[in-house]
Amino acid sequence: DAKTTQPNSMESNEEEPVHLPCNHSTISGTDYIHWYRQLPSQGPEYVIHGLTSNVNNRMASLAIAEDRKSSTLILHRATLRDAAVYYCILRGGSEKLVFGKGTKLTVNP
Amino acid sequence: GAVVSQHPSWVICKSGTSVKIECRSLDFQATTMFWYRQFPKQSLMLMATSNEGSKATYEQGVEKDKFLINHASLTLSTLTVTSAHPEDSSFYICSATTGGIQPQHFGDGTRLSIL
Repeated sequence: DAKTTQPNSMESNEEEPVHLPCNHSTISGTDYIHWYRQLPSQGPEYVIHGLTSNVNNRMASLAIAEDRKSSTLILHRATLRDAAVYYCILRGGSEKLVFGKGTKLTVNP
Repeated sequence: GAVVSQHPSWVICKSGTSVKIECRSLDFQATTMFWYRQFPKQSLMLMATSNEGSKATYEQGVEKDKFLINHASLTLSTLTVTSAHPEDSSFYICSATTGGIQPQHFGDGTRLSIL
């Protein structure tokens, strides 16, 4: 699976939007972009995924660059419960997920 | 929907004993289940991929005789850590999926401590 690059950490204030970037310059045409997050002492939680078009769900929005070499996970109004490690993962033909180090998001009250 | 239950949530046992961890998909049938291990302050590392009714596929470096995986049904997979030693202490997490590009749904993990 192609590699992704994310900042090690980011900080946000409660009730403000958060934009979490992910670079994946070696993405292939069949790779889907998946986002998961892991709250402390829990298993990861699926957030969203997309291929080419921007995607929205109840948890977040995914903005995908036109050349697909980067994407941004958008949390529209951060809450304290959104403090977690966010993982951006590319999935091609394999069902496997390869987790990198992710971005640790801190949300300040 | 898409709930995965993992049991037990934590276990402490003596060195040399075997420990079984269960992973159940409660409201869907999982064609594939995965087992991960996570050491403190590190990311998840995939240990093996499990399909119902067939042998698990282990990642490189994972001992299949030490980490026994059984996937008896479309809703249950078990991981048995045999003859556990302190270095096996870790956070073990399972996930399940209906296949293809569908998301993986994760259990809450099992914290294993070997004394």
